[in-house]
Amino acid sequence: GESVGLHLPTLSVQEGDNSIINCAYSNSASDYFIWYKQESGKGPQFIIDIRSNMDKRQGQRVTVLLNKTVKHLSLQIAATQPGDSAVYFCAENMRQAGTALIFGKGTTLSVSS
Amino acid sequence: NAGVTQTPKFRVLKTGQSMTLLCAQDMNHEYMYWYRQDPGMGLRLIHYSVGEGTTAKGEVPDGYNVSRLKKQNFLLGLESAAPSQTSVYFCASSTQGRGNQPQHFGDGTRLSIL
Repeated sequence: GESVGLHLPTLSVQEGDNSIINCAYSNSASDYFIWYKQESGKGPQFIIDIRSNMDKRQGQRVTVLLNKTVKHLSLQIAATQPGDSAVYFCAENMRQAGTALIFGKGTTLSVSS
Repeated sequence: NAGVTQTPKFRVLKTGQSMTLLCAQDMNHEYMYWYRQDPGMGLRLIHYSVGEGTTAKGEVPDGYNVSRLKKQNFLLGLESAAPSQTSVYFCASSTQGRGNQPQHFGDGTRLSIL
């Protein structure tokens, strides 16, 4: 089965709201996690990453939180904009295959104005 | 910045035909990957390479072959295409590291097998 998954397949928010996208992972040995954004017809675009020795990392309007106790990862987007509408994937490193990643199934974020 | 470039962008094949998907990166990355993405799914790893002249199997390697003759190029071949291989194929690359480097993706090749 999937090593990395997401709680909700879709999320709808109003412009200006904060969005939270969640992800659960099952491999406690994973030490690196990434969030990607994928727009229609495009490849995944790197948003932010976090290593297992961290609990939180912030970027521009985005924050990733890692809870290793319950194997949970979340992506917070502040002041969500229509341009944030996309599919968001979390991924973890697949240690047994070098640097390759295991992806979850994705959450579709829809932002209405 | 070109980044990761995939060709072709679209292709339709008949069952049993063969073809090669091309991936080129200009970031001098050591690692390269081929994934497939099916509707409503995340990406699944087909094959990957940790350096020029090396390749390894991923999660779903059956029916595909790869070659990495040059550091900047990673080729994915379908020897005898099957309808189950209808998918969007993504190539990615990353710098050398212990799994702690983000992968950079191309925009995909949309392949239909009739």
